[in-house]
This record gives sequence, structure tokens and C-alpha cells, in this order.
Amino acid sequence: GENVEQHPSTLSVQEGDSAVIKCTYSDSASNYFPWYKQELGKRPQLIIDIRSNVGEKKDQRIAVTLNKTAKHFSLHITETQPEDSAVYFCAAIIQGGKLIFGQGTELSVKP
Amino acid sequence: DSGVTQTPKHLITATGQRVTLRCSPRSGDLSVYWYQQSLDQGLQFLIQYYNGEERAKGNILERFSAQQFPDLHSELNLSSLELGDSALYFCASSGVLAGGEETQYFGPGTRLLVL
Repeated sequence: GENVEQHPSTLSVQEGDSAVIKCTYSDSASNYFPWYKQELGKRPQLIIDIRSNVGEKKDQRIAVTLNKTAKHFSLHITETQPEDSAVYFCAAIIQGGKLIFGQGTELSVKP
Repeated sequence: DSGVTQTPKHLITATGQRVTLRCSPRSGDLSVYWYQQSLDQGLQFLIQYYNGEERAKGNILERFSAQQFPDLHSELNLSSLELGDSALYFCASSGVLAGGEETQYFGPGTRLLVL
């Protein structure tokens, strides 16, 4: 069935270090992979996305990589700051536009 | 601000009752999605509408129903409420980009508390 696995469930880093969150998906037809950041009690906000025709995309301190053969994609945050602390969700879109979300990673950046 | 609006922000009700949550998509977006997020849970997809028609269904209970109106706003109806229905309910909307991929933008959510 359609499934997105996300690891780790919690991640604690020191300010300035890098953070990496990994996801795997099951539907080989998936062609769009967004990442959302959700602060406590607030809406998920799109922070970066990648489409299946590219292997990597960067936006300042955030980058996403995609390996279609292995069906996994990762979020990389460099030079982390306390305001990066939040829950991060990966997702994969399948036919018809249905978004399947990972279970979320709670990132804590310690000053 | 994503451009997606949801009302009400908060809702407190009793078990057995029925409530209606409302969502207005971003201007021009034809698709509306509903998600449920329980405490310490991820985002569970409930249902999608596209231009007034149901397009995809997720883990939506039979006690729940939704519709999308001609002006593209959507309503999620929750009936015979149970304590376990307490959650954040998000609406998202999307347009269709070249190639068929759709970026979803989330509204601020409705926090439902069933007592």
C-alpha cells in the first residue's frame, strides 16, 4: 500500500550543527516530494519541495536530495538555529494528488 | 499567511453532537483537502475535492462527510462526535502546476475539543 516512512522521530542538535531527516516511500509512481515545517499548534508550512526530474535542490540553509532508484529522499538543514526547532514532515504525492505524509520528526536545536 | 482560511479557529462541543468546519481555498485553487491531526499524531488524509467533485478518499469515518460548493469553499461535517474525534482539522488547497504535480497550502486549522 501507499506508505512513507520517516526517521528519526526525534532529533536533537546543537546550534550550528547540521540536521538530516530521511524518508522512504513505497509508490514508485510518486513524482513530487514536499517538506513541511510545523510549529506547535500552527499549520504545516511548505519549506522546500523536489520533483522527480532532479536529484537535489537547495534553498539557503535547506537542501533536499532524492534517490528515485532507492525510493528515498532526505532533508538537510545546515547551521541550525533555535528557530529551526519544530516538527518536520516529509510527504510523497501519488496519482490523483493524494499526499501521503511521514510520521514527523521533532527537531530540537539547543542554543 | 497561506491564503487558505478556516473557521472556526476553536470549537468545543459534547459527545454525540454534530459540527461543521468551513474552509475557503486560495484564490484560483480548485482542489481542497481535509486532514486530521490528533495529539502527537501525524497528518491523516481524510478526503479531497476537485472543482466540486470528490476525488480521493482517505481514512474518513462514515460519521464524517464533506462537500465542495460552486464557489469552491468546502465544509467538513462531523457527526455523532466521540471523545477521540478531538483533534486539529486542517484544510489545504492546491492548483495544478505544469506536469500535474500539486503543491498544497494549509489553512490555520480548526481545533476541535469533544467533552
